[in-house]
Amino acid sequence: LAKTTQPISMDSYEGQEVNITCSHNNIATNDYITWYQQFPSQGPRFIIQGYKTKVTNEVASLFIPADRKSSTLSLPRVSLSDTAVYYCLVGDGAAGNKLTFGGGTRVLVKP
Amino acid sequence: GAVVSQHPSRVICKSGTSVKIECRSLDFQATTMFWYRQFPKQSLMLMATSNEGSKATYEQGVEKDKFLINHASLTLSTLTVTSAHPEDSSFYICSARSPKSEKLFFGSGTQLSVL
Repeated sequence: LAKTTQPISMDSYEGQEVNITCSHNNIATNDYITWYQQFPSQGPRFIIQGYKTKVTNEVASLFIPADRKSSTLSLPRVSLSDTAVYYCLVGDGAAGNKLTFGGGTRVLVKP
Repeated sequence: GAVVSQHPSRVICKSGTSVKIECRSLDFQATTMFWYRQFPKQSLMLMATSNEGSKATYEQGVEKDKFLINHASLTLSTLTVTSAHPEDSSFYICSARSPKSEKLFFGSGTQLSVL
């Protein structure tokens, strides 16, 4: 299983762009990269998923370099409600293959 | 999008009793579901993989006789914490993978407090 490393915490201010980088040096060929958001006392919520290059949806962008050994989640113009823990997961998505959570990044958005 | 429902959201019980937590995939069939435990300010820790129609696979250090998992149908997995003790108090979360994507969907979690 590919292990992930993320910064423990990150502070930002409303309206700023937040970029969280995740390292996954031993990512396998079949592995996808998925980011989740978790608020206190709630289950994680899917944010974005990618395999290579760049993926963008209505809430975030995911940048993956050619070697795929890292990925960066970009949250544009954050608001106070984006304060949460963000997890980067790497796995191949096969039905029986489990996904292991790393430590996550605690993002605090200040007014 | 795919939805995973988890019930109850919160339970308080006396030490020595058993508690059952249900996890349902509402709009897709899940041959595999996962159960996690999370302590305050910590990450999710995988406890076991629930397989429909077969025995669950437990992670190292997780007591299978204490945390009974049943995956009787393609939309329902249950986790029973048997003879619960205060140290079992935690936030339990289930998840299921939609067969149409690589995405893992999570339930809303169950806060278990054992007195």
